[in-house]
This record gives sequence, structure tokens and C-alpha cells, in this order.
Amino acid sequence: TQLLEQSPQFLSIQEGENLTVYCNSSSVFSSLQWYRQEPGEGPVLLVTVVTGGEVKKLKRLTFQFGDARKDSSLHITAAQPGDTGLYLCAGVVESSGYALNFGKGTSLLVTP
Amino acid sequence: EADIYQTPRYLVIGTGKKITLECSQTMGHDKMYWYQQDPGMELHLIHYSYGVNSTEKGDLSSESTVSRIRTEHFPLTLESARPSHTSQYLCASSLISGRAEKTQYFGPGTRLLVL
Repeated sequence: TQLLEQSPQFLSIQEGENLTVYCNSSSVFSSLQWYRQEPGEGPVLLVTVVTGGEVKKLKRLTFQFGDARKDSSLHITAAQPGDTGLYLCAGVVESSGYALNFGKGTSLLVTP
Repeated sequence: EADIYQTPRYLVIGTGKKITLECSQTMGHDKMYWYQQDPGMELHLIHYSYGVNSTEKGDLSSESTVSRIRTEHFPLTLESARPSHTSQYLCASSLISGRAEKTQYFGPGTRLLVL
């Protein structure tokens, strides 16, 4: 199993602050995905990064894929209470029918 | 918006009972998956399917079984539930595609508690 380590595991910040979540692995992935999961729901895809060094932006969220395709980061600018949730990174495992290998997630709480 | 459904959403059952968790999708996706998620832990793949009559075991050993008789339906069965099976079970589906981006659409999950 290709392990994905996410940090921090928990993060509590105030509205308006910036934050970065990290996803690291010793393995190379063909692509990495970031999901957001809210309580009582399944994960929802935010973005897929494919190319080493790739940067993608989704409104106030910036995703980066490491040059060696082993790590990724998620940066949130001016966090809002609506950003609260569990953020999961996942590597695509082609040998298992393109199933996902997930990190443990970062639980983010943004307070007004 | 994903059209993938799971029932029941919550299930409390006694040890030794047989249970089936239902998962259906109306998107015509070929691939379907079952993941298990405990609180504060990552999702672990327990079963997947490439299409009708195809089932494979995932990385996490599981006493559950699955079937894929129809494209849209991928039920998971536990013949004899035990407290160690208490967890959240998430079903997902995706299209077989040559593209590198392979979006998985998740159902809302079934929270299972075995007493």
C-alpha cells in the first residue's frame, strides 16, 4: 500500500486567516486528488493534479503537486466558516482499478 | 451532482445477523468501489468492480462480500455481523476512461453499529 501522510491532522483557525495542508508520500502517484468531506456525507472531489509542479486554483483554494509527484499541498486564503470540513488527499492506484489510496485527512474548523 | 445512493443511512443490528448494504448509481459508471472509514482514520478500499460480473478485493481485508449483477447496483453483504464490523461504509463509482483524471463520486455512506 502506498502511504499518504497528511498534516496537520487538526486545525482550528479564525475567519480571515490563511492555512496550508500538506500531503506527503514516499511513492510516486500518477495523479493526486483532494476531496472535502462534511459530517454525514461522502467525500466530494475538489481537484485532481496530474503533472509534477502543477498548480491549480479553485477560488480561494490553491493546490500544488510536487515536482516529483510524491507530495501535494492545499492552501486556503482568507478562510471562511463555510470551509470547515475534513480535507482528504488521495493518490490514484492504477493497479486497483484506479481506486483511491487516502490519507487520514485534515479536520479544519474555521470560527467566525 | 452525483447520482449515487446508499441505503440504509444508519443501521444498528445485533451480533450474528446477516446484513446487506445497498449501493446504486444512475450515471452508467463501469467502476464501483466500497471503502470503510473509521472516525479519524483514512478510507480503506475493501472491494471494487470493473463492471458486471467483476469483483475484486481491496487492500483492507474484509469479511464482507460483494456482487455486481447489474451495472448500477453493487451491494455489500455481511453474513454474520460482529462488533468489529462497526464502521462507516462508503460506496463510490467512476467511469473507465483513458484520461488521467478519474473522478470518483461517493454516496453518503452507511453508518453501521453492531451490538
